[in-house]
Order: sequence, then structure tokens, then C-alpha cells
Amino acid sequence: KQEVTQIPAALSVPEGENLVLNCSFTDSAIYNLQWFRQDPGKGLTSLLLIQSSQREQTSGRLNASLDKSSGRSTLYIAASQPGDSATYLCAVLNAGNMLTFGGGTRLMVKP
Amino acid sequence: EAGVAQSPRYKIIEKRQSVAFWCNPISGHATLYWYQQILGQGPKLLIQFQNNGVVDDSQLPKDRFSAERLKGVDSTLKIQPAKLEDSAVYLCASRVGVNSPLHFGNGTRLTVT
Repeated sequence: KQEVTQIPAALSVPEGENLVLNCSFTDSAIYNLQWFRQDPGKGLTSLLLIQSSQREQTSGRLNASLDKSSGRSTLYIAASQPGDSATYLCAVLNAGNMLTFGGGTRLMVKP
Repeated sequence: EAGVAQSPRYKIIEKRQSVAFWCNPISGHATLYWYQQILGQGPKLLIQFQNNGVVDDSQLPKDRFSAERLKGVDSTLKIQPAKLEDSAVYLCASRVGVNSPLHFGNGTRLTVT
């Protein structure tokens, strides 16, 4: 059974810092990994999708990497802004269309 | 492209009452998921549909929860009777295929008193 862990559970940084969020998974036989953002009281917004054959994906100030063999992904946020404050979740898709979420990292960027 | 639509946004019921949630996925999305998200946790899969067939309902508490997607488009999730521990946000998501991004609705926040 796939288990997905996100560390840290919460993070507070001053505006302008570069930061890294971590996601680890136990079963490396994945189809893809997706990073989401969730604002309070809202659904999840897709940020980046990395296929199992890819090593990274970039969108604006966001860069997600995938190391399938070690069961790890990182989400790098450059030059953080207060508007980046949200909960960030990673989800891993395995065979049989099984999608497993991590518990999320709650990010606070202080002005 | 219109997003995943869910209704209602909020629902407050007493324990032992019944409740139903509705989801309309993005047009053309064959795969539909219902998730339960308890405050402070990641979403937990309840049921997954591929068109109008159930792919995975292993974590659905079938004694009280039911879901259907009769025409392979919109879907309903029902809880009967509700318990206090069912208080959560119920999220619906859809995708075109395995290698496409998953899109979520805004969810229904259920409070059971």
C-alpha cells in the first residue's frame, strides 16, 4: 500500500525567501506525481504534474523535481510572496489509477 | 473550460439524518473521484468511477455511504444516516485520463451536530 509523507507539516518564512517542500512515497512504481495548492475553504488547485519518465517540471516561480528511485519529490518556490501562503499537497498515482495524497505542508509567508 | 461543479457549498445536519452531494465534472472527463477531507489532513479517497462504472470503493463505508454516476457524467454521494465523525469537506475531482492533471471542485463542507 502506497504511503505518502510530507515534511514539514508547517512552515513559516519571511517574504522573499526561497523554500523547498518535501514529499516522499514508499512505492516507486508510480505513473505520475502531482503538486496541489489548497487555500482555506477551497478545493485543490493543480500546480504541476510530473510524469514518471520526467525529472522536473517548472511553472513560473515553481519547480518540482522527481526522483522515482528514491521515492522523493520536492517543490521549490523561488522568491516567496505572502500570496503563496496556503497548504501544499502532493499526490502519487499508482497502477490501477490509485491516487494517494500526503498530509500537506501548511505554508505561511510573512510580509 | 468550466471547472468541476459541486453543490451545495455548505450543509449542516443533525446526526442520523441523510444528506446528498452533487458533482458535475469537467466535460469529457471519464474518471471521477469523491474524496473526504478532514480538517488538517490530506484528502482520503472514498470512491472512483471510470465513466459509469466503479473502479475502487474499498474505502467507502458502504453501510452508510453510497454513490452513483448513472449516465457517466454527473455523480451524487449520499450519507444515510450521518454520524458526527462524517463532518468534513467532501471533494469531487475529475480527469481525462491517467496521465492528465486532476481537477477539483470547491467541495461541500458538511457539519454533523
